[in-house]
Amino acid sequence: DGGITQSPKYLFRKEGQNVTLSCEQNLNHDAMYWYRQDPGQGLRLIYYSQIVNDFQKGDIAEGYSVSREKKESFPLTVTSAQKNPTAFYLCASSIRDRLYEQYFGPGTRLTVT
Amino acid sequence: SQQGEEDPQALSIQEGENATMNCSYKTSINNLQWYRQNSGRGLVHLILIRSNEREKHSGRLRVTLDTSKKSSSLLITASRAADTASYFCATDASAGGFKTIFGAGTRLFVKA
Repeated sequence: DGGITQSPKYLFRKEGQNVTLSCEQNLNHDAMYWYRQDPGQGLRLIYYSQIVNDFQKGDIAEGYSVSREKKESFPLTVTSAQKNPTAFYLCASSIRDRLYEQYFGPGTRLTVT
Repeated sequence: SQQGEEDPQALSIQEGENATMNCSYKTSINNLQWYRQNSGRGLVHLILIRSNEREKHSGRLRVTLDTSKKSSSLLITASRAADTASYFCATDASAGGFKTIFGAGTRLFVKA
C-alpha cells in the first residue's frame, strides 16, 4: 500500500527547542517537498529535493533545515531560529518528470508555546 | 500578493447543485493545477491543465484555462456532501526552475 506518511500528527514543543518532523514515502518518487500552511492560507514552499543528497530552498527556508540521505525520507527540522513555527506542515512527493503533480502526506500540526 | 488567488473565498451550496471556483494569477505559467484539501488533511491532486490547453475534464470536474485573462475555473457538477473541502489552485513559473505557488483556497460547503 503506497503512500506518504508523516509523523506525528500533532506535535507540541516549548519555544527555543528544535524539533524534527518525519516524512517517509514508498512511492519510489525522486522529488520531495515541505510546505507550511497557516490558517486560511495557501501552502508556502519551505524546501524541496529532486534527488538524494541534494535539496533547494523554497520561499520561506529561514529557520528550517532538511536532509535527504535516502530516497524515501525527507525530514524537516524546525529550529529555534524560526520566529513563528506554529503551523500545519505538509510533505509531498512527485516523480521527477511530473514535479507539479504532487502526492501529499496527512500533515503534522506543530504547536510551539 | 500571491500568484494564484481563488474566488470566492467561501461557497455554500445544496447537494446536486454545481459549484464554480475561479483562480487568477499574475505571471506566465506552464501549467496550473487544482487540489482538494479536506479539513486538517493533506492535499489531493485533482487535475493539471497545461498552458496550451483550454479545457479539461475528469469525472464531475471541468477545468478551464484562459491564459489571456490569466484565469482558470474549476466546475464541480452535481455536487455531493463529500465534496465539502477547500480547493486550491497552484501555478508554476514558466521560467527560472521549479517554483509552485498556491492560492489561499476556496472553502466549499455542500449541504445535504
